[in-house]
Amino acid sequence: AQSVTQPDIHITVSEGASLELRCNYSYGATPYLFWYVQSPGQGLQLLLKYFSGDTLVQGIKGFEAEFKRSQSSFNLRKPSVHWSDAAEYFCAVGVMDGGSQGNLIFGKGTKLSVKP
Amino acid sequence: SAVISQKPSRDICQRGTSLTIQCQVDSQVTMMFWYRQQPGQSLTLIATANQGSEATYESGFVIDKFPISRPNLTFSTLTVSNMSPEDSSIYLCSVSGQGKETQYFGPGTRLLVL
Repeated sequence: AQSVTQPDIHITVSEGASLELRCNYSYGATPYLFWYVQSPGQGLQLLLKYFSGDTLVQGIKGFEAEFKRSQSSFNLRKPSVHWSDAAEYFCAVGVMDGGSQGNLIFGKGTKLSVKP
Repeated sequence: SAVISQKPSRDICQRGTSLTIQCQVDSQVTMMFWYRQQPGQSLTLIATANQGSEATYESGFVIDKFPISRPNLTFSTLTVSNMSPEDSSIYLCSVSGQGKETQYFGPGTRLLVL
């Protein structure tokens, strides 16, 4: 069965430091992968997505993610974190076959805190 | 990306009552989805709202508890029926276009059941 694991529940980084949020997935076919961000009291905003092609994808707000098939990973990175990046980040895999086509399977999320 | 609105944005309800949540999109979309996000948890798909046919429910969710309507390509409703405190959650709708791959989310409806 498809699944997404985000091993870090909560991460704290200093403003200006680099960031990497981990995501591992389990999916039998080529995955469609997504990162979403949820600010407090808000809905989910799409940061970036990977379908095929270049394994390093660029997103909004200076984020990027790298798809590594051999490691079943899709880690999110940002070279310099801003205080406004404090939020919860969700990795998701898209189910593109069978009866649940179009369904997104989400990880449990990583809460990011930013220290001044 | 589509602009998605939800009504109400939040509500406090008494147990045993029902609440209908509306999701409106500013353009026609192929697929609409309803998710639940319980406190401190990730998102779980409730159902896919199909235009012109019955909704498709995920395991653990039933039509009697979460009836869904999809009267056209820009609108859907989710009703949370006979509510209990365990239904306190954020309910989010999302949409995808013909490509189906990418989903865009509404702002969510924050529901507290007392």
